[in-house]
Amino acid sequence: DAEITQSPRHKITETGRQVTLACHQTWNHNNMFWYRQDLGHGLRLIHYSYGVQDTNKGEVSDGYSVSRSNTEDLPLTLESAASSQTSVYFCASSDGTGNSPLHFGNGTRLTVT
Amino acid sequence: AQRVTQPEKLLSVFKGAPVELKCNYSYSGSPELFWYVQYSRQRLQLLLRHISRESIKGFTADLNKGETSFHLKKPFAQEEDSAMYYCALRGNRDDKIIFGKGTRLHILP
Repeated sequence: DAEITQSPRHKITETGRQVTLACHQTWNHNNMFWYRQDLGHGLRLIHYSYGVQDTNKGEVSDGYSVSRSNTEDLPLTLESAASSQTSVYFCASSDGTGNSPLHFGNGTRLTVT
Repeated sequence: AQRVTQPEKLLSVFKGAPVELKCNYSYSGSPELFWYVQYSRQRLQLLLRHISRESIKGFTADLNKGETSFHLKKPFAQEEDSAMYYCALRGNRDDKIIFGKGTRLHILP
């Protein structure tokens, strides 16, 4: 069965370190998205991609970057982790056709100390 | 600008009572509206979408363009409905989906 997987499930890092969260999907979807989930803020879009070599900024992109070198993967990098980036991160994908839903990964809980 | 508003952070309802989770949106075109649900320790999953006009797990939602609302309803709450519910909107210019802040539904026994 097709799926979308995120790794690691949990990560603790120190302020200032670079961190990369992995997202891999086997749906063969062109569109991939990264969200962060915070109490009181819901889900906020960080970055998204509509295909290989395409990346776009979402509403809370500062301090984050993504790259899309193939269809399956959209890694999210925190260039210099800050405590404000402590959150649960969700990756999602869709096929981009009309009314198609998002398929979500299980999430990565990141703690920046 | 696109915006999704869920006015209630927490909604507590007795088992067997009706449920209504409110969602209002702001969008200048014709959006697609969705409800997603996150059960404890599970990933977010699609509950229903307005275009399908379907009932899933007893839940329905009607798009009211005049009131720009997409409220989620269920006539008789069940304990297994306890979860976090997110209303979401996709505009007609691109594929990105934005979410409201979510409402935690707590079904009381």
